[in-house]
Amino acid sequence: DTGVSQDPRHKITKRGQNVTFRCDPISEHNRLYWYRQTLGQGPEFLTYFQNEAQLEKSRLLSDRFSAERPKGSFSTLEIQRTEQGDSAMYLCASSPEGGDTIYFGEGSWLTVV
Amino acid sequence: GENVEQHPSTLSVQEGDSAVIKCTYSDSASNYFPWYKQELGKGPQLIIDIRSNVGEKKDQRIAVTLNKTAKHFSLHITETQPEDSAVYFCAAGGSYIPTFGRGTSLIVHP
Repeated sequence: DTGVSQDPRHKITKRGQNVTFRCDPISEHNRLYWYRQTLGQGPEFLTYFQNEAQLEKSRLLSDRFSAERPKGSFSTLEIQRTEQGDSAMYLCASSPEGGDTIYFGEGSWLTVV
Repeated sequence: GENVEQHPSTLSVQEGDSAVIKCTYSDSASNYFPWYKQELGKGPQLIIDIRSNVGEKKDQRIAVTLNKTAKHFSLHITETQPEDSAVYFCAAGGSYIPTFGRGTSLIVHP
């Protein structure tokens, strides 16, 4: 049984570059979430998919951020024109239909220099 | 939206002591309250949860209590061990999108 898988686990990028993170949810989980976590803080909600439909987006998700889940399976989170304030851990989570428990992946650490 | 407050931010105990972490929430519609443990460099892992139709739930050394009237819930860890050292997060949800507290760093001294 595999849990939520995220790739890459670590990314260092220069300010202004674009980065993309991938998330593979637990098999058959139709709900997928992206959260962001900075040092000393709890996870902050970014966006939520049910199957391929993006149903909720936080105000934290600026125009430079875009998330997709084209076939209702894996998801990508792209950050364009990265800024130093984007440095954080990006967490993906999934949950099954009818369930309220979400299961996190190990996260993708982003450092913008 | 939901707002979750968590206290204390840091908790230091001796091995074998009990630890209690408290959270309050604002949205009376929330009906699901999970607790997660996060070790350094890893994602949060669910350790226990409670739903609004019960007041207490126990799993070995871990217990959660919920007071819906007062809108607060607590995590209790008994007989703490060094491997319990981690950051613990409470969360509250009711519409599939849980809101998290800011976390409690628990340090268990051997």
